[in-house]
Amino acid sequence: EVKLQQSGDELVRPGASVKISCKASGYTFTNYAMYWVKQSPGQGLEWIGTIIPLIDTTSYNQKFKGKATLTADKSSNTAYMELSRLTSEDSAVYYCARPDYWGQGVMVTVSS
Amino acid sequence: DVVLTQTPPTLLATIGQSVSISCRSSQSLLHSNGNTYLNWLLQRTGQSPQPLIYLVSKLESGVPNRFSGSGSGTDFTLKISGVEAEDLGVYYCMQFTHYPWTFGGGTKLELK
Repeated sequence: EVKLQQSGDELVRPGASVKISCKASGYTFTNYAMYWVKQSPGQGLEWIGTIIPLIDTTSYNQKFKGKATLTADKSSNTAYMELSRLTSEDSAVYYCARPDYWGQGVMVTVSS
Repeated sequence: DVVLTQTPPTLLATIGQSVSISCRSSQSLLHSNGNTYLNWLLQRTGQSPQPLIYLVSKLESGVPNRFSGSGSGTDFTLKISGVEAEDLGVYYCMQFTHYPWTFGGGTKLELK
Protein backbone atom coordinates (compact mmCIF):
# COMPACT_ATOMS: atom_id res chain seq x y z
CA GLU A 1 0.00 0.00 0.00
CA VAL A 2 1.36 3.39 -0.98
CA LYS A 3 1.61 5.74 1.96
CA LEU A 4 2.99 9.25 2.43
CA GLN A 5 3.37 9.81 6.16
CA GLN A 6 4.04 13.41 7.13
CA SER A 7 5.48 14.71 10.37
CA GLY A 8 3.38 16.32 13.07
CA ASP A 9 1.82 19.74 13.36
CA GLU A 10 4.16 22.62 14.20
CA LEU A 11 3.86 25.80 16.22
CA VAL A 12 6.73 28.13 15.36
CA ARG A 13 7.80 31.68 16.16
CA PRO A 14 7.84 34.42 13.53
CA GLY A 15 11.22 34.60 11.85
CA ALA A 16 12.07 30.99 12.60
CA SER A 17 12.34 28.05 10.20
CA VAL A 18 10.61 24.70 10.15
CA LYS A 19 11.40 21.44 8.36
CA ILE A 20 8.56 19.09 7.47
CA SER A 21 9.12 15.47 6.51
CA CYS A 22 7.21 13.09 4.24
CA LYS A 23 8.14 9.43 4.54
CA ALA A 24 7.17 7.33 1.55
CA SER A 25 6.40 3.62 1.72
CA GLY A 26 4.83 0.97 -0.46
CA TYR A 27 6.64 1.95 -3.65
CA THR A 28 10.10 2.69 -5.03
CA PHE A 29 10.80 6.21 -3.79
CA THR A 30 13.05 7.16 -6.68
CA ASN A 31 10.48 6.20 -9.31
CA TYR A 32 8.18 9.16 -8.65
CA ALA A 33 8.48 12.89 -8.29
CA MET A 34 7.17 14.39 -5.07
CA TYR A 35 5.45 17.73 -4.96
CA TRP A 36 4.37 20.03 -2.16
CA VAL A 37 1.19 22.05 -1.83
CA LYS A 38 0.07 24.83 0.51
CA GLN A 39 -3.50 25.25 1.69
CA SER A 40 -4.07 28.44 3.65
CA PRO A 41 -6.97 28.57 6.15
CA GLY A 42 -10.24 28.50 4.26
CA GLN A 43 -8.37 28.97 0.99
CA GLY A 44 -7.56 26.92 -2.03
CA LEU A 45 -4.44 25.08 -3.04
CA GLU A 46 -1.05 26.39 -4.21
CA TRP A 47 1.76 24.36 -5.74
CA ILE A 48 5.05 25.09 -3.97
CA GLY A 49 7.47 22.93 -5.91
CA THR A 50 8.51 19.47 -7.00
CA ILE A 51 11.54 17.29 -6.38
CA ILE A 52 12.66 14.31 -8.44
CA PRO A 53 14.46 12.12 -5.88
CA LEU A 54 16.25 10.00 -8.48
CA ILE A 55 18.31 12.92 -9.76
CA ASP A 56 17.83 15.43 -6.93
CA THR A 57 16.30 17.96 -9.26
CA THR A 58 13.88 20.58 -8.03
CA SER A 59 11.50 23.05 -9.60
CA TYR A 60 9.77 25.79 -7.67
CA ASN A 61 6.83 28.09 -7.99
CA GLN A 62 8.49 31.51 -8.27
CA LYS A 63 6.26 32.67 -5.41
CA PHE A 64 7.97 30.24 -3.03
CA LYS A 65 11.58 30.63 -4.14
CA GLY A 66 13.59 31.72 -1.13
CA LYS A 67 10.79 30.56 1.17
CA ALA A 68 10.76 26.79 0.58
CA THR A 69 13.65 24.38 0.09
CA LEU A 70 12.92 20.83 -1.05
CA THR A 71 15.26 17.92 -0.40
CA ALA A 72 15.05 14.14 -0.48
CA ASP A 73 16.92 11.38 1.36
CA LYS A 74 16.98 8.25 -0.78
CA SER A 75 18.40 6.15 2.05
CA SER A 76 15.30 6.72 4.19
CA ASN A 77 12.72 7.26 1.43
CA THR A 78 11.89 10.64 2.92
CA ALA A 79 11.23 14.00 1.30
CA TYR A 80 11.64 17.23 3.20
CA MET A 81 10.47 20.80 2.88
CA GLU A 82 12.07 23.56 4.88
CA LEU A 83 10.27 26.88 5.22
CA SER A 84 12.34 29.85 6.30
CA ARG A 85 11.78 33.30 7.77
CA LEU A 86 8.26 32.39 8.75
CA THR A 87 5.49 34.98 9.03
CA SER A 88 1.77 34.72 9.74
CA GLU A 89 1.23 34.38 5.96
CA ASP A 90 2.96 31.00 6.17
CA SER A 91 0.39 29.59 8.60
CA ALA A 92 -1.26 26.86 6.56
CA VAL A 93 -1.55 23.14 5.98
CA TYR A 94 1.24 21.73 3.85
CA TYR A 95 0.89 18.52 1.86
CA CYS A 96 3.37 16.29 0.11
CA ALA A 97 1.95 14.39 -2.83
CA ARG A 98 2.48 12.12 -5.75
CA PRO A 99 0.04 12.75 -8.59
CA ASP A 100 -2.03 9.81 -7.31
CA TYR A 101 -1.49 9.92 -3.52
CA TRP A 102 -1.37 12.71 -0.96
CA GLY A 103 0.00 12.82 2.55
CA GLN A 104 -2.24 13.67 5.49
CA GLY A 105 -0.94 17.22 5.74
CA VAL A 106 0.98 19.19 8.36
CA MET A 107 -0.52 22.26 9.97
CA VAL A 108 2.07 24.96 10.52
CA THR A 109 1.03 27.77 12.84
CA VAL A 110 3.26 30.84 13.05
CA SER A 111 2.66 32.71 16.27
CA SER A 112 4.60 34.40 19.02
CA ASP B 1 0.32 31.86 -14.60
CA VAL B 2 -2.49 29.65 -15.89
CA VAL B 3 -5.77 30.54 -14.24
CA LEU B 4 -8.30 27.75 -13.79
CA THR B 5 -11.86 28.97 -13.28
CA GLN B 6 -14.31 26.50 -11.80
CA THR B 7 -18.07 26.84 -11.98
CA PRO B 8 -20.26 26.73 -10.12
CA PRO B 9 -18.56 27.59 -6.84
CA THR B 10 -21.28 25.71 -4.96
CA LEU B 11 -23.40 22.86 -6.21
CA LEU B 12 -26.49 21.60 -4.41
CA ALA B 13 -27.57 18.08 -5.29
CA THR B 14 -29.82 15.29 -4.08
CA ILE B 15 -28.61 11.73 -3.71
CA GLY B 16 -28.82 10.03 -7.08
CA GLN B 17 -28.75 13.25 -9.08
CA SER B 18 -26.21 13.67 -11.85
CA VAL B 19 -24.09 16.82 -11.72
CA SER B 20 -21.31 18.49 -13.69
CA ILE B 21 -18.49 20.83 -12.75
CA SER B 22 -16.72 23.03 -15.28
CA CYS B 23 -13.05 23.99 -15.27
CA ARG B 24 -11.93 26.59 -17.79
CA SER B 25 -8.28 27.41 -18.36
CA SER B 26 -6.78 30.73 -19.39
CA GLN B 27 -4.46 28.84 -21.76
CA SER B 28 -4.60 25.58 -23.65
CA LEU B 29 -3.50 22.69 -21.49
CA LEU B 30 -2.34 20.60 -24.44
CA HIS B 31 1.34 19.87 -23.84
CA SER B 32 3.83 19.74 -26.70
CA ASN B 33 4.13 16.00 -26.06
CA GLY B 34 0.45 15.52 -26.93
CA ASN B 35 -0.79 14.95 -23.37
CA THR B 36 -3.20 17.23 -21.53
CA TYR B 37 -2.26 17.35 -17.88
CA LEU B 38 -5.58 18.19 -16.26
CA ASN B 39 -6.52 16.37 -13.06
CA TRP B 40 -9.51 16.40 -10.73
CA LEU B 41 -9.33 15.97 -6.96
CA LEU B 42 -11.89 15.71 -4.15
CA GLN B 43 -11.27 17.08 -0.69
CA ARG B 44 -13.74 15.84 1.88
CA THR B 45 -14.13 17.85 5.06
CA GLY B 46 -11.12 17.43 7.32
CA GLN B 47 -9.23 15.25 4.86
CA SER B 48 -6.43 15.70 2.38
CA PRO B 49 -7.30 15.93 -1.31
CA GLN B 50 -7.90 12.63 -3.06
CA PRO B 51 -6.99 12.36 -6.75
CA LEU B 52 -9.92 11.18 -8.87
CA ILE B 53 -9.03 11.70 -12.52
CA TYR B 54 -5.81 12.33 -14.44
CA LEU B 55 -5.05 13.22 -18.04
CA VAL B 56 -8.56 14.67 -18.40
CA SER B 57 -10.50 11.42 -18.35
CA LYS B 58 -8.55 8.55 -16.78
CA LEU B 59 -9.85 7.29 -13.44
CA GLU B 60 -7.38 6.75 -10.61
CA SER B 61 -7.35 3.24 -9.19
CA GLY B 62 -10.32 2.59 -6.93
CA VAL B 63 -12.38 5.58 -8.10
CA PRO B 64 -15.98 4.61 -8.88
CA ASN B 65 -17.01 4.77 -12.52
CA ARG B 66 -19.84 7.18 -11.74
CA PHE B 67 -17.08 9.78 -12.05
CA SER B 68 -16.06 10.81 -15.55
CA GLY B 69 -13.94 13.55 -17.04
CA SER B 70 -14.00 15.12 -20.46
CA GLY B 71 -12.77 18.11 -22.39
CA SER B 72 -9.83 19.43 -24.33
CA GLY B 73 -7.80 22.57 -24.81
CA THR B 74 -9.23 25.05 -22.34
CA ASP B 75 -12.61 23.56 -21.37
CA PHE B 76 -13.00 20.57 -19.07
CA THR B 77 -15.85 18.91 -17.22
CA LEU B 78 -16.17 16.52 -14.32
CA LYS B 79 -19.45 14.61 -14.22
CA ILE B 80 -20.84 12.54 -11.38
CA SER B 81 -23.57 10.20 -12.62
CA GLY B 82 -25.62 9.64 -9.50
CA VAL B 83 -24.27 11.51 -6.48
CA GLU B 84 -23.68 9.46 -3.36
CA ALA B 85 -23.21 10.79 0.17
CA GLU B 86 -19.50 10.01 0.10
CA ASP B 87 -19.08 12.36 -2.89
CA LEU B 88 -19.73 15.49 -0.82
CA GLY B 89 -16.82 17.89 -0.44
CA VAL B 90 -14.80 20.34 -2.51
CA TYR B 91 -13.69 19.43 -6.03
CA TYR B 92 -10.57 20.96 -7.54
CA CYS B 93 -9.14 20.84 -11.01
CA MET B 94 -5.37 21.06 -11.33
CA GLN B 95 -3.09 21.55 -14.31
CA PHE B 96 0.41 20.18 -14.69
CA THR B 97 1.03 21.34 -18.27
CA HIS B 98 2.50 24.76 -17.55
CA TYR B 99 4.74 25.97 -14.74
CA PRO B 100 3.75 26.96 -12.16
CA TRP B 101 1.22 24.19 -11.70
CA THR B 102 -2.09 25.71 -10.63
CA PHE B 103 -5.41 24.73 -9.11
CA GLY B 104 -8.93 25.88 -9.69
CA GLY B 105 -10.71 27.72 -6.91
CA GLY B 106 -12.86 24.72 -6.03
CA THR B 107 -16.50 23.67 -6.27
CA LYS B 108 -18.27 22.68 -3.09
CA LEU B 109 -20.77 19.86 -3.54
CA GLU B 110 -23.46 19.87 -0.86
CA LEU B 111 -26.74 18.10 -0.26
CA LYS B 112 -29.87 19.98 -1.26
